[in-house]
Amino acid sequence: EPEVTQTPSHQVTQMGQEVILRCVPISNHLYFYWYRQILGQKVEFLVSFYNNEISEKSEIFDDQFSVERPDGSNFTLKIRSTKLEDSAMYFCATGGYAEAFFGQGTRLTVV
Amino acid sequence: AQSVTQPDIHITVSEGASLELRCNYSYGATPYLFWYVQSPGQGLQLLLKYFSGDTLVQGIKGFEAEFKRSQSSFNLRKPSVHWSDAAEYFCAVDSGGSNYKLTFGKGTLLTVNP
Repeated sequence: EPEVTQTPSHQVTQMGQEVILRCVPISNHLYFYWYRQILGQKVEFLVSFYNNEISEKSEIFDDQFSVERPDGSNFTLKIRSTKLEDSAMYFCATGGYAEAFFGQGTRLTVV
Repeated sequence: AQSVTQPDIHITVSEGASLELRCNYSYGATPYLFWYVQSPGQGLQLLLKYFSGDTLVQGIKGFEAEFKRSQSSFNLRKPSVHWSDAAEYFCAVDSGGSNYKLTFGKGTLLTVNP
């Protein structure tokens, strides 16, 4: 069964550093998403991406965040200058119309 | 704004017992409704979804859920729980359309006793 692959599974970074989280979507999927889950809290929508542009983003997705598909396959989330409160599990999801499949997540720890 | 409430933070059942996990949503129109399961160290796996039609939907692993518009509920059920069902379960709602923007509940942690 095809699956969404995220790398790395766990990343520790110092506050103020840039991080890039990577996602390999299921082939032929056209819609891409990032969600995050702070420990003990709900899974929250960050951003959706379609046709090489952001289609919707949440209030959380401020100027410190960006997404792109640099090579037409990987889908990345960049956090420009990490803060302690960015520590969370980040999930990538990809899908077609009204469906999405989630990856296993990247646990980001900012110290 | 849409919201999802899962009233039970933690539920413990015995293996072989029946299970019902509660989910209530708040949304003006008929939403798209989902149940996901997350096992330790794993991602979110879709159990089932409701878009329209028959209000009783069947999912994977023997789960089913019933959409009740009058109660704004979408409860997940399983007639006989297996030890491997121990996981965290999330109910989610989507406003519809091509943008899969889910609003999740806080989740219910299921413990299964032997």
